Amino acid sequence: AQKVTQAQTEISVVEKEDVTLDCVYETRDTTYYLFWYKQPPSGELVFLIRRNSFDEQNEISGRYSWNFQKSTSSFNFTITASQVVDSAVYFCALSERYTNAGKSTFGDGTTLTVKP
Amino acid sequence: GAVVSQHPSWVICKSGTSVKIECRSLDFQATTMFWYRQFPKQSLMLMATSNEGSKATYEQGVEKDKFLINHASLTLSTLTVTSAHPEDSSFYICSARGQGAGFEQFFGPGTRLTVL
Repeated sequence: AQKVTQAQTEISVVEKEDVTLDCVYETRDTTYYLFWYKQPPSGELVFLIRRNSFDEQNEISGRYSWNFQKSTSSFNFTITASQVVDSAVYFCALSERYTNAGKSTFGDGTTLTVKP
Repeated sequence: GAVVSQHPSWVICKSGTSVKIECRSLDFQATTMFWYRQFPKQSLMLMATSNEGSKATYEQGVEKDKFLINHASLTLSTLTVTSAHPEDSSFYICSARGQGAGFEQFFGPGTRLTVL
């Protein structure tokens, strides 16, 4: 069965600090997709990134970077030089290509608070 | 990116009434739509998966007679909460997925239901 664990329930940092949000997943499929979403107080989910299981290349997008390591089943998300606007709940999600009909399983989320 | 709309964005109703929530894919054909429920400070819980033209598949523990899902076209799915009660108050989010690789879901902005 697919499972996503975000061990950090809440993180609080001061503006300009770097912060890493952890995500560990479990799956039996060899083909799967990993996602990160941001949910600001407004509630709408904002898509941040998708990574497929065959692409372990790390990605950087502005202040955001993602570290995908199949060996440890982790897909961690780092925000560099955090800003107050980064305050939100961040969800990591997993979709298996063959098992579970591609349904997404979400982690419990990490609430990030960036203080000025 | 693909856009998914939800209507209404919020609704308040009396206990015992039924409420219909619409989910539309605006610029792509959604072969599959998902309905999620999110309680405050919790993760998204998948309620059901609907494929156009076929009956929805409900997750374990979700009452199909309580939460009626209709996916009548490739751009519209509806969720009807029948005989709503205060415990049905929640944030309901739909997502849509088109054909092709990636298994990326595009999320609607959510509907906040409050049952008095």
